[in-house]
Amino acid sequence: DTEVTQTPKHLVMGMTNKKSLKCEQHMGHRAMYWYKQKAKKPPELMFVYSYEKLSINESVPSRFSPECPNSSLLNLHLHALQPEDSALYLCASSQGLVELDEQFFGPGTRLTVL
Amino acid sequence: GENVEQHPSTLSVQEGDSAVIKCTYSDSASNYFPWYKQELGKGPQLIIDIRSNVGEKKDQRIAVTLNKTAKHFSLHITETQPEDSAVYFCAAKYSGSARQLTFGSGTQLTVLP
Repeated sequence: DTEVTQTPKHLVMGMTNKKSLKCEQHMGHRAMYWYKQKAKKPPELMFVYSYEKLSINESVPSRFSPECPNSSLLNLHLHALQPEDSALYLCASSQGLVELDEQFFGPGTRLTVL
Repeated sequence: GENVEQHPSTLSVQEGDSAVIKCTYSDSASNYFPWYKQELGKGPQLIIDIRSNVGEKKDQRIAVTLNKTAKHFSLHITETQPEDSAVYFCAAKYSGSARQLTFGSGTQLTVLP
């Protein structure tokens, strides 16, 4: 299984809602990532988990809250988002954090904030 | 930090022709250079990568070349097909630290039938 899965595929939420994005991989990878991607732009790194511990937080606003319940799962909890947070949210995984290992991306969750 | 520049931003080719996308990087310590293909509505897919101890790597119609002295690397696609139409991103990374991938700005490739 060489796949990273993400749910839901699409999400529409109001600015007062609380929602969560889910990511799963069964490749035994120990590093997992959240990226945000705006249209026609490259992915921007948000968070990195290594061995289920948060290793990198790229100064992301606190309305985004990551969680890594186990080595296969990564969640992104959303609360009080702004319309400018509308984007494609991508999850990725790699074998390790510092090695020259390939990063595999999931299909993304298309988020719209009204 | 690392800075990766990618050119061109858009590229149109006739089916069967070759396409070349070029990237330059700023940090001479970078030693891993992947290329991703992103189709509309999908996540980026790793298509080929190269490490700094290698000058060229091929996989069927796709090849990547690396010039460490000039700090640039290129993606070559031969015999292009309509299904090659997508956005392509180059990236660079330095191993041995937690520094993560730095992406180029992307190239929209359109293969005209």
